[in-house]
Amino acid sequence: DSGVTQTPKHLITATGQRVTLRCSPRSGDLSVYWYQQSLDQGLQFLIQYYNGEERAKGNILERFSAQQFPDLHSELNLSSLELGDSALYFCASSPHVDGSSYNEQFFGPGTRLTVL
Amino acid sequence: AQTVTQSQPEMSVQEAETVTLSCTYDTSESDYYLFWYKQPPSRQMILVIRQEAYKQQNATENRFSVNFQKAAKSFSLKISDSQLGDAAMYFCAYRSAQGSNYQLIWGAGTKLIIKP
Repeated sequence: DSGVTQTPKHLITATGQRVTLRCSPRSGDLSVYWYQQSLDQGLQFLIQYYNGEERAKGNILERFSAQQFPDLHSELNLSSLELGDSALYFCASSPHVDGSSYNEQFFGPGTRLTVL
Repeated sequence: AQTVTQSQPEMSVQEAETVTLSCTYDTSESDYYLFWYKQPPSRQMILVIRQEAYKQQNATENRFSVNFQKAAKSFSLKISDSQLGDAAMYFCAYRSAQGSNYQLIWGAGTKLIIKP
């Protein structure tokens, strides 16, 4: 158990719908990262938050958005869902953002999203 | 932009034998981290081993060791005395140690099959 929790574990929805994925980082971790793992595109970084502020953006679609709340949990919002959004969405957390230290990312169990 | 390449989609090894998984990467940075993650059928992403680019000594964790060749930009994983529980997808990942973007950049993965 990494200490990172994600809810829900599974989500099945229809095209055009909107869903929210939730992540609670490990106690004390300030950074949260979201990754998408799909069959055709592998693992891709979506977005990073540090202590409530957006720090980096990767290949995140405009239909997707995220935020990190004062209690440090994070939510990933996916809207106007398409079949191609079906994937495993991982959240990871790390202690801090200082790049000069090791700063391991601990992964949650993921949320499996199926868009029908 | 940094890239990570895993050229072996699938590898198989007899139980108790040794197997080496290959990874190459491309970067213009001098300071970075490299990782091997294991993803078993449960889909949980588990850190196996990490290597700091500034360290010449190869990292070792029990039966897992790496061969880090910085000039060749190569980072292979050796698993000794393979066990049935080692069967999983293995991902090589890169993380910059500079700036504020600490996303993990992933290879496509290698599926490791252990033959009993």
